[in-house]
Amino acid sequence: GAVVSQHPSWVICKSGTSVKIECRSLDFQATTMFWYRQFPKQSLMLMATSNEGSKATYEQGVEKDKFLINHASLTLSTLTVTSAHPEDSSFYICCPDLEETQYFGPGTRLLVL
Amino acid sequence: KQEVTQIPAALSVPEGENLVLNCSFTDSAIYNLQWFRQDPGKGLTSLLLIQSSQREQTSGRLNASLDKSSGRSTLYIAASQPGDSATYLCAVLETTDSWGKLQFGAGTQVVVTP
Repeated sequence: GAVVSQHPSWVICKSGTSVKIECRSLDFQATTMFWYRQFPKQSLMLMATSNEGSKATYEQGVEKDKFLINHASLTLSTLTVTSAHPEDSSFYICCPDLEETQYFGPGTRLLVL
Repeated sequence: KQEVTQIPAALSVPEGENLVLNCSFTDSAIYNLQWFRQDPGKGLTSLLLIQSSQREQTSGRLNASLDKSSGRSTLYIAASQPGDSATYLCAVLETTDSWGKLQFGAGTQVVVTP
């Protein structure tokens, strides 16, 4: 199966700082990457779809200026949480649009103090 | 809007018992349904994928059924083991435009005690 990595796996930051999360495809190229987040005891919810070389598309209710997505190459997509606040504390996970069986990254747990 | 519900939210069984996890969805116009396993703080591992035209899929001790008309799927895990302890998520795919655009349930947290 496809290998997807995320970095960092854990991040704790102060309120107001920005945090960048990287999602890399290690053995394939991904034109499209999906970003999900999961609050405790809740479903994974799709936040946005990043497309290599073009602007990301955001789901309803997700602030595009707060969650900056960059898909600069076919092997790297980044999600930057700008001016993070405690309510942004969540589990962020990426998934390439590859084939019918999905391969998710290991996720990044963000805690904003 | 599609809503995916999983019952129960949590389940604890002694080792050796069979597990039955339920998933329901409100819109039967799905392309497929997947069951995933999520370990604490970790990513997701796909367990079984059932096409909308299929009734069930099996892999080892796992069996998943799908009743599309009633909007239900059930994951059976036979002879549970402590290593089966994890959160199990079901997710539906509504369109083939994007393989990774899934609607997830909130999961069932399973604990198998030795």
